Amino acid sequence: EVQLMESGGGLVQPGRSLRLSCTASGFTFGDYAVSWVRQAPGKGLEWVGFIRSKAFGGTTDYAASVAGRFMISRDDSKSVAYLQMNGLKIDDTAVYYCTRDIGNYGGKRGGTADYWGQGTLVTVSS
Amino acid sequence: DIQLTQSPASLSASIGDRVTITCRASQTVTKYLNWFQQKPGKAPKLLIDGASDLQGGVTSRFSASGSGTHFTLTINTLQREDFATYYCQQSFTVPRTFGQGTKVELK
Repeated sequence: EVQLMESGGGLVQPGRSLRLSCTASGFTFGDYAVSWVRQAPGKGLEWVGFIRSKAFGGTTDYAASVAGRFMISRDDSKSVAYLQMNGLKIDDTAVYYCTRDIGNYGGKRGGTADYWGQGTLVTVSS
Repeated sequence: DIQLTQSPASLSASIGDRVTITCRASQTVTKYLNWFQQKPGKAPKLLIDGASDLQGGVTSRFSASGSGTHFTLTINTLQREDFATYYCQQSFTVPRTFGQGTKVELK
């Protein structure tokens, strides 16, 4: 059974850093891209970014709202993806989901989140 | 960035109704359009990708069509478990973007 589990959320002050983890099981993690999607309280979904599989360079893309502050990485030996969040702002308060992506072959086109974790809440507040 | 506009933002419907949700893109996304369902307090669930390909295990009450900039999601014979919020998302390019969501409520 495919499972994704986020961890590392919590309360953090503005300007500080936090690292989220996404631990996968039930599939060959290294074969897939991983995305992060967030949802502010009572709001819609916002794509944060994703990391391609190593077969397609392990490269990343980000939303403009987080580019330069957030960084996605992966450790395929542990079946874990990370979202390093620096310079956190109050507007970054959200539930953060990681997803398994299918259908991306290295470019900017294609890719669908077919499995999602349950999400972890990040609250940025002083 | 490609903007996705869903309509309506919300709708009220009865059990057994047929409902249609529209998603319009600010520029072509060809067929790189996905639909998700989200229930309160839960993670989204992929229903359809490639504009019209129903995911395995998803009831055939759901169907979708479209290409380019105009897409629709149809739910036939609405059931109680279909009351949720629905989002479209484009994967034509990055940044991937979502529509603002359509909440389907019980009349």
